[in-house]
Amino acid sequence: GQQVMQIPQYQHVQEGEDFTTYCNSSTTLSNIQWYKQRPGGHPVFLIQLVKSGEVKKQKRLTFQFGEAKKNSSLHITATQTTDVGTYFCAGGLGKFYFGSGTKLNVKP
Amino acid sequence: KAGVTQTPRYLIKTRGQQVTLSCSPISGHRSVSWYQQTPGQGLQFLFEYFSETQRNKGNFPGRFSGRQFSNSRSEMNVSTLELGDSALYLCASSLGTSGGSYEQYFGPGTRLTVT
Repeated sequence: GQQVMQIPQYQHVQEGEDFTTYCNSSTTLSNIQWYKQRPGGHPVFLIQLVKSGEVKKQKRLTFQFGEAKKNSSLHITATQTTDVGTYFCAGGLGKFYFGSGTKLNVKP
Repeated sequence: KAGVTQTPRYLIKTRGQQVTLSCSPISGHRSVSWYQQTPGQGLQFLFEYFSETQRNKGNFPGRFSGRQFSNSRSEMNVSTLELGDSALYLCASSLGTSGGSYEQYFGPGTRLTVT
């Protein structure tokens, strides 16, 4: 069945450093979504990518969808303590497969 | 616009019992999906309902079932509870229409503990 793998599992950075999480699928994805879950909270939708090679930016966050639509990445520039949380990618349509998430810790 | 609401927020049940969880989606959203979140398995898709019909199903045993009402509210039922069913159960609503955005809005979840 379809699997979405996400690395790294954990990332500890100093405030101001950059952060990247990667998502890989065993099959071609129709779209990919990214979510952020703060400790004790629920996942919050960040963005959806649909087109091959698509790049979208939200302030310090840059999202990419691979040319083959099998991988994606989320890059945060100059992390802040407010970026702390777990970032999930999810692929599918209706039936979504979530990656295992990357837990980001930012030290002030 | 009010967000997704889930009730109850916390629940403690005994092995063998059954439980029903409720989810009210965002007004106008016709798709409701249910997820199980555990530290070991992460976020796993249970099922999706759209216009009162189960449209997609994950790989969970038949003890897990759901339904959706005409007002889009959804319920999830777990029968014959097992210790391994202890988890955070999240529901997510979306427009769910073809060609539209499938961005999902999650509720706060129901924390189920099975003892």
